[in-house]
Amino acid sequence: GESVGLHLPTLSVQEGDNSIINCAYSNSASDYFIWYKQESGKGPQFIIDIRSNMDKRQGQRVTVLLNKTVKHLSLQIAATQPGDSAVYFCAESIRGGSQGNLIFGKGTKLSVKP
Amino acid sequence: SAVISQKPSRDICQRGTSLTIQCQVDSQVTMMFWYRQQPGQSLTLIATANQGSEATYESGFVIDKFPISRPNLTFSTLTVSNMSPEDSSIYLCSADRGGGELFFGEGSRLTVL
Repeated sequence: GESVGLHLPTLSVQEGDNSIINCAYSNSASDYFIWYKQESGKGPQFIIDIRSNMDKRQGQRVTVLLNKTVKHLSLQIAATQPGDSAVYFCAESIRGGSQGNLIFGKGTKLSVKP
Repeated sequence: SAVISQKPSRDICQRGTSLTIQCQVDSQVTMMFWYRQQPGQSLTLIATANQGSEATYESGFVIDKFPISRPNLTFSTLTVSNMSPEDSSIYLCSADRGGGELFFGEGSRLTVL
């Protein structure tokens, strides 16, 4: 199958360990952030989002942390599983502006070793 | 979540020809967008497909090269015109129901020889 992660930074973790994927966003006016997961040969899939009035949000096995001071976003995946292997993208937008117009980060390829 | 279907899922085209990609959403959506994802790269917004009016293009993308239609609230097309090998990419349709979260189709993988 086709890979979209050939030129992307790679994070390799052992199955069962926690993963932390980082993202630096560009626009200090951005107020809405999303993490997407893209498996090989598929479109991006929504994981979790966070608004700028929060600094942490938890989902099932995933946590997103937002640090607006340094314009940094992270995705934490607990107990990483082989099915988590994919490319992960952060995306930012200014909701009051071009609604739905998301700007995507470069992406990180997560590789889970059994 | 919305279900988004794109076709073709992949195609191999000759230089100088044009290809139209179709995007169908299973429910009415407020916004539809077209993105390009070059091999090993992130997603870049091509344009916003506006229902009943001309699409809004991002810097570096023009209507003559990427004409877009959106005749109703569930359907859009993107045409890649006069293709060259540099147009080889994944083209992704996405939709927003109003909450800011975008749903994506599986993409159309285009190879230009």
